[in-house]
Amino acid sequence: GDSVTQMEGPVTLSEEAFLTINCTYTATGYPSLFWYVQYPGEGLQLLLKATKADDKGSNKGFEATYRKETTSFHLEKGSVQVSDSAVYFCALSDGGGTYKYIFGTGTRLKVLA
Amino acid sequence: GAVVSQHPSWVICKSGTSVKIECRSLDFQATTMFWYRQFPKQSLMLMATSNEGSKATYEQGVEKDKFLINHASLTLSTLTVTSAHPEDSSFYICSASLLRANEQFFGPGTRLTVL
Repeated sequence: GDSVTQMEGPVTLSEEAFLTINCTYTATGYPSLFWYVQYPGEGLQLLLKATKADDKGSNKGFEATYRKETTSFHLEKGSVQVSDSAVYFCALSDGGGTYKYIFGTGTRLKVLA
Repeated sequence: GAVVSQHPSWVICKSGTSVKIECRSLDFQATTMFWYRQFPKQSLMLMATSNEGSKATYEQGVEKDKFLINHASLTLSTLTVTSAHPEDSSFYICSASLLRANEQFFGPGTRLTVL
């Protein structure tokens, strides 16, 4: 079945450091890919998405490119801030009619001032 | 747009009682709603998918008599945890999607603590 593999955390960075959180997927169809962010005690907020190969999603300085050849959707940000500290989830939507999401395990990011 | 609310945001109840959690789509009609459960420092686990006017589809291992889901209208779904026990304590998150849309919009979550 479809699956999402996300790099283990926690990730600890200094402010203004470069961030990469790896995400790879397996899917039989043509999924849409998402990154969500969860702050402590809150629900999920959509950070960015991509619906087809080579699409680049971007928002608030974060970017991720849908790479079909490597089945990846890595999240990047050039300069992180303390306020970016949160848990980040990679997810795919199977698009096969059920529209279910499959989530990665989540990566906790801590940014130090 | 595409705002989903949940009520209550947190609830504490005694063991053996039932708790109802509401999930509402505020500015769109949600043909499908999803209910998730999240344990501390873990990912989201899909519990069930509900379509308006029909019975919910539960994921394997989720007790349908324990977690009653009703999706009576295009803007409201409810999850009732019946005869709650401490092991039911968790963070419950709902999401909603539009007809044939490949994106879900998430509510802020409800933290349930069963004493």
